[in-house]
Amino acid sequence: GAVVSQHPSWVICKSGTSVKIECRSLDFQATTMFWYRQFPKQSLMLMATSNEGSKATYEQGVEKDKFLINHASLTLSTLTVTSAHPEDSSFYICSASPAGLSHEQYFGPGTRLTVT
Amino acid sequence: SQQGEEDPQALSIQEGENATMNCSYKTSINNLQWYRQNSGRGLVHLILIRSNEREKHSGRLRVTLDTSKKSSSLLITASRAADTASYFCATWAIQGAQKLVFGQGTRLTINP
Repeated sequence: GAVVSQHPSWVICKSGTSVKIECRSLDFQATTMFWYRQFPKQSLMLMATSNEGSKATYEQGVEKDKFLINHASLTLSTLTVTSAHPEDSSFYICSASPAGLSHEQYFGPGTRLTVT
Repeated sequence: SQQGEEDPQALSIQEGENATMNCSYKTSINNLQWYRQNSGRGLVHLILIRSNEREKHSGRLRVTLDTSKKSSSLLITASRAADTASYFCATWAIQGAQKLVFGQGTRLTINP
């Protein structure tokens, strides 16, 4: 089956620093990748949708300058949390879709971000 | 915004019993999907049911879809301790933004 990886699986950073999370599709080409965040005991909330080679589409209320998304290749998307604050601490999950099958999403294992 | 409502929010049953979770949504959909999430982990896709389907089976899972009521149910038969997880429904709309919209989830606990 299609496999999506995320790196790192967990990260601790200090307030004011930036942290980059990678999402890779290992055995298929992903034209579309999605980034979600999840607070404890809550559901997933879509942050943004990225298509390879174009700018990401952010959901309402998500600061594009704070959460930088780059989808530079068909197998890699990155999410950079800039000037992180404790309230950015969350579980970040990516998913990837093969070309033409956006409803078919394969999820990464998630990244736990803790900002101290 | 999350359009899916799931109930119950939490469910605790004995091993061997059946577990039923429900999901309601608001817009017209192309398909509805169910996912499982173990604590602190990513999502595992369980089953996809299309809007023109009424019931689908996969192993011990049975999913129903009632588009007239905009609702779906997930039944897990003969539950096992390993089924302990959170279960989410997610809908893919016919029109509008192409994205999955997740329900709030049901936390299922199977007691040995």
